[in-house]
Order: sequence, then structure tokens, then C-alpha cells
Amino acid sequence: QSVLTQPPSASGTPGQGVTISCSGSSSNIGSNFVNWYQQFPGTAPKLLIYSNNQRPSGVPDRFSGSKSGTSASLAISGLQSEDEADYYCAAWDDSLNGHVVFGGGTKLTVL
Amino acid sequence: QVQLQESGPGLVKPSQTLSLTCTVSGGSISSGSYYWSWIRQPAGKGLEWIGRIYSGSTNYNPSLKSRVTISVDTSKNQFSLKLSSVTAADTAVYYCARAQGGSSSIHYWGQGTLVTVSS
Repeated sequence: QSVLTQPPSASGTPGQGVTISCSGSSSNIGSNFVNWYQQFPGTAPKLLIYSNNQRPSGVPDRFSGSKSGTSASLAISGLQSEDEADYYCAAWDDSLNGHVVFGGGTKLTVL
Repeated sequence: QVQLQESGPGLVKPSQTLSLTCTVSGGSISSGSYYWSWIRQPAGKGLEWIGRIYSGSTNYNPSLKSRVTISVDTSKNQFSLKLSSVTAADTAVYYCARAQGGSSSIHYWGQGTLVTVSS
């Protein structure tokens, strides 16, 4: 049971847009930045979005992040087949002396 | 370019202590406001944050806190993870990583190393 809640799966066709949600609480998303990671099978995760809506260099602007209250979202526009991967949200949680919490991950399928 | 590389035994017996080291290259482990972190991922499952160390101060996952120790060796530009009293549930790919202060975002990851707990 992950502290941050994500849908286990999402899908879309090439060219479409898709949004992945991440729900938390006042001690994590509600008071701290949200980060998003992309992971392909057998490889380490890669930072996709940090500080709610910032893209590291090299990440296409098709990927965007937003946060409102205790929820956050990752939006992917113009889906491409290479976007098929697992996506994880994460945030710092102020409870219990502080720690990072992850969402359970969302498997994105490009149909 | 910062690079991180995990090393350590790939097989640990139940009840023993899992020990991994992360070697950092491309930058000094003692410079900058970075949090040196460990994350793990059981096969087919999600990411689990283990803990981090920054300037000698540590934060640990509350569910693992009683068994985890993270330390830094600045002379070797390495940081380490020790997880005691392991069980099969600790079998996972273990990643070392460098996180930013403030956002806690992890910009650099090691490639990961599989640790299996089995007799």
C-alpha cells in the first residue's frame, strides 16, 4: 500500500494526450514538491518532472506536471510509442521525522 | 557528468546484514547540497525509498528505520547502506542516487544491483 495513490494503468493511442494522477495528503503533496519518474523495464528510473512542473534538460515539452492541493498530475501530450513505460510520483513527507514517499506506479500502454 | 555505481554481494543469507556501497564519480561527495540516497525495487513492484544522508545527518524510511544505516566515506567518495536482519522480503534491486535539496528530486541514479536473500 503506497502512501501516494496512482492508477495502476493508463493507455492512449499515438498522438493522443493522457494524464496520470497522484493523490496524497497534507503532509506530503500538500506541503512539498512533487517529482515524477519514468522507468523502462530493466533500467533505472529517470527524472521526468521535478518541483511540481519543472523539466530537466532533455525532457520533451510533451511532458508537463501540475499540482493542486494534495493531488498532482503528469500530462503527456502527443503520445509516442516510446512513452510506454512505468511512471512514478514522489514527494517528501513531513511526518515521522521526514521521508520520501512514492506512488505505486502507473503502467502506461500506447495502443 | 556525475555517475553512481553500486557494488556488493548479490546473495545474502536470511538474518544476516546486507551491505552495499555506492561509488560516486564525476564530482565530490562532500561538495554541494546533495542528499545521497538509497532506493529499492522488488521484482515487478514499485519503488521504495530507503533513506538518505546529507552532511552527516540521516533520514530513513520509518518502516525500515530500525534496520538501516547509511554512512559516507568522503576519502573514497563513497556512501554505503547496511540493512540488518534481512528476510526474503528484502530481495530487490537496490539503487543508489543523488537527490537535490528542497524538492528531494533524484537527478542521478546508479544502474541498480540485484540483491537476493536466500539460504
